[in-house]
This record gives sequence, C-alpha cells and structure tokens, in this order.
Amino acid sequence: NAGVTQTPKFQVLKTGQSMTLQCAQDMNHNSMYWYRQDPGMGLRLIYYSASEGTTDKGEVPNGYNVSRLNKREFSLRLESAAPSQTSVYFCASSDGTETDTQYFGPGTRLTVL
Amino acid sequence: TQLLEQSPQFLSIQEGENLTVYCNSSSVFSSLQWYRQEPGEGPVLLVTVVTGGEVKKLKRLTFQFGDARKDSSLHITAAQPGDTGLYLCAGERGGGSNYKLTFGKGTLLTVNP
Repeated sequence: NAGVTQTPKFQVLKTGQSMTLQCAQDMNHNSMYWYRQDPGMGLRLIYYSASEGTTDKGEVPNGYNVSRLNKREFSLRLESAAPSQTSVYFCASSDGTETDTQYFGPGTRLTVL
Repeated sequence: TQLLEQSPQFLSIQEGENLTVYCNSSSVFSSLQWYRQEPGEGPVLLVTVVTGGEVKKLKRLTFQFGDARKDSSLHITAAQPGDTGLYLCAGERGGGSNYKLTFGKGTLLTVNP
C-alpha cells in the first residue's frame, strides 16, 4: 500500500496563476483533509471531506476550492495564487471515526512569487 | 487565538538527557493525539489518549492526559538523536459526525550526539 500520495512535490507559481494539488489514498478511508503548514503556525485545516460527495470549510478556506472526485481522491485548487499561499500543503485521510488516526502524505512545497 | 498551546517551541538537548513537552488549552478535548514529523515528511501518529488522567508509554516516551482533559504532556527519557523532530499535539473536541483535529504549533526537538 502506498498510503497517501500527493503530487506534485514541489511547485513554483507566479502571482495570479492557478494550479491543482492532487491527493489519493488507498486505505479505503472515508474522510480526507487538506492542511497548510507555515513556520511557527503549526498545521491549519483548509478543507475537509467527511465522506465521498461532501466537503466543508476548515479554519483557512479563503482562496482555495476542493473536489472529492471519488472515495480515493481529494484535490485542492488555487484559482489565483497569491504570495500569502506560499506554504507546505499536506493531505491526510482517516476512517472518520472519533480518536482515529490521520495518515498524512509527504507534502507539496508551493512557492508563489 | 491558538486553541492548543505547546511549550517550549524549541528544545535542544544532549543525548541521554530527559525532557518534557507540554500541550495546554482552556478547552476540553474528547481525545488528544501526539504526532512526530521529520523534515520533509508528513506527521506520523505516536499515540492517542482519551481518558482524563490516562498515561500511555511507548518505549522511552510517556504521554499523559490531564484529569480535566484540557492538557497533555510528553516525557522522553534518555533522549537519542533519532528522537529529533517536530512534535505536534492535536485535539479532537468531539460532537457531531465530522471529526476534525486542532493542532498546536509544535515543539521542535533537537537531540545532539
């Protein structure tokens, strides 16, 4: 099992460009999450999907959109990138039950110039 | 306002020393998790504590959940260079059907040989 995979691993964008971050999990998990990690800020939840077909905003959703394509895949889209979106983005998945484990991907390092 | 406060933010010690990392909040959590993150990778779950006053041991690591379920600590005995990493606590506040974690900002531990 690959667990949680993310593509790309690194990306550099210019202000105003758009891109989609891809995430896939092969653990048959119901829930999937997108976080961003900035120095000194910890992990902040952007969007999550409790189950296939549903998505909800997290703590910092502005400037992002998501799509739960199917049970395996959950993508994050930046429509018009801004320098403030420079960050490391992590996708995670879990069974979606209380006290369950969240499994994280390796991250995407995004720089917006 | 940070829901979970971790201290210290940075910790640099020599191999063989003991250390304690704290995770505090004014809110009650139904469960609390500790993750460790190594450079360039996503966080990996170490332990989940659920019951107030609960103590869990994982080899040289001892985790405690406060009686009121508002705080937690991680104690490492005889630290080794392999313990180096970012330690994150994350709380689940419970309620509803969507289980989301709130992360602290983390403690960056460096164990020098």
